[in-house]
Amino acid sequence: DVKVTQSSRYLVKRTGEKVFLECVQDMDHENMFWYRQDPGLGLRLIYFSYDVKMKEKGDIPEGYSVSREKKERFSLILESASTNQTSMYLCASGEIQGAKNIQYFGAGTRLSVL
Amino acid sequence: SQQGEEDPQALSIQEGENATMNCSYKTSINNLQWYRQNSGRGLVHLILIRSNEREKHSGRLRVTLDTSKKSSSLLITASRAADTASYFCATDARDYKLSFGAGTTVTVRA
Repeated sequence: DVKVTQSSRYLVKRTGEKVFLECVQDMDHENMFWYRQDPGLGLRLIYFSYDVKMKEKGDIPEGYSVSREKKERFSLILESASTNQTSMYLCASGEIQGAKNIQYFGAGTRLSVL
Repeated sequence: SQQGEEDPQALSIQEGENATMNCSYKTSINNLQWYRQNSGRGLVHLILIRSNEREKHSGRLRVTLDTSKKSSSLLITASRAADTASYFCATDARDYKLSFGAGTTVTVRA
């Protein structure tokens, strides 16, 4: 079974803090993704990576950065946390095989910025 | 950008009844997928239907796809309490990414 592990289920941070969200996958997938999920808005893509040290902006990258130094690990960084970044953050990994592009998700990190 | 939009936003049914939810999207796709999310958890892939397929079954799930109308439906038959969850459609436009809708929240009453 594919396992995508996010380092924290719940996190409380203060405005202005630098926040690191870590994600590790054990299936040797090329692609990894960070989403945020807010009520009524569904999942919005923040950043994704299709290879080590490669990153691409998603739909809402402002205020975030990412790091992928190793294939299995994809980190999301909030450079200076703000209250509007309070949200559920979901990491996913996957691989494109033929016409299939299935993603496997971690359990999520619920971040509160006070 | 959010391509898929699910309808209805919420659905409440009795155990044993069928649940149907719909997804509409805007641009051409390679395939369409449905995911389930239990409360406070990550998403789990349920089923994928390719753009050249019209119907697909998996256990109690039935998915249809109408590319001319840019729409899909997910039917859950003989619902159970364990089917209580949010369901999301996701479209794959061949660019590594999936675009997710806002989801349909299904509540199955005992």
